[in-house]
Amino acid sequence: GAGVSQSPSNKVTEKGKDVELRCDPISGHTALYWYRQRLGQGLEFLIYFQGNSAPDKSGLPSDRFSAERTGESVSTLTIQRTQQEDSAVYLCASSWRAGDTGELFFGEGSRLTVL
Amino acid sequence: AQSVTQPDIHITVSEGASLELRCNYSYGATPYLFWYVQSPGQGLQLLLKYFSGDTLVQGIKGFEAEFKRSQSSFNLRKPSVHWSDAAEYFCAVGGMDSSYKLIFGSGTRLLVRP
Repeated sequence: GAGVSQSPSNKVTEKGKDVELRCDPISGHTALYWYRQRLGQGLEFLIYFQGNSAPDKSGLPSDRFSAERTGESVSTLTIQRTQQEDSAVYLCASSWRAGDTGELFFGEGSRLTVL
Repeated sequence: AQSVTQPDIHITVSEGASLELRCNYSYGATPYLFWYVQSPGQGLQLLLKYFSGDTLVQGIKGFEAEFKRSQSSFNLRKPSVHWSDAAEYFCAVGGMDSSYKLIFGSGTRLLVRP
């Protein structure tokens, strides 16, 4: 597609429910990143995929968080048993290849509200 | 530890005035430095980046930034601000040492007075 596409744009859920957030990167981009942005704060790295290599999961805050990516296409971020502190905007970004230009192309984010 | 500090949470300038947004970083290896802008309702957009070479880099929308290794800084500047520049600005650092994943500062929100 023309840009990074994320869905849903907004999600309101009850504490304890599971949520799935989807990211469709720019076609041809091999690197895909998930970041979390809490209100009034910077972007917090969550996970990074590069082609078929093992993902870098070093930023996932707990085992309730997981992400998958099928080949070099769509990625899904799953949060199990959501907590109120999970409320944030979840941003996905992609790039041609990690390190080539350093430029990440961001989606508009999925805003998650946990009641 | 790798980190980015943007000491100003908010900055207000008058339209037409000059602007400088501060960014300091801590990074163990050769840093790659970036400035992104986030406008309301839009995704982050890259303004400019520094990898190597000339320490003064030019970006889009009339922005520039200067890399000062001795001060671990990468401040963003614009000589004359336009009302459309009102947005949130993020400084980020990355590089081979971190497998290129970017570490972002907490952002500076720019308000522009008419």
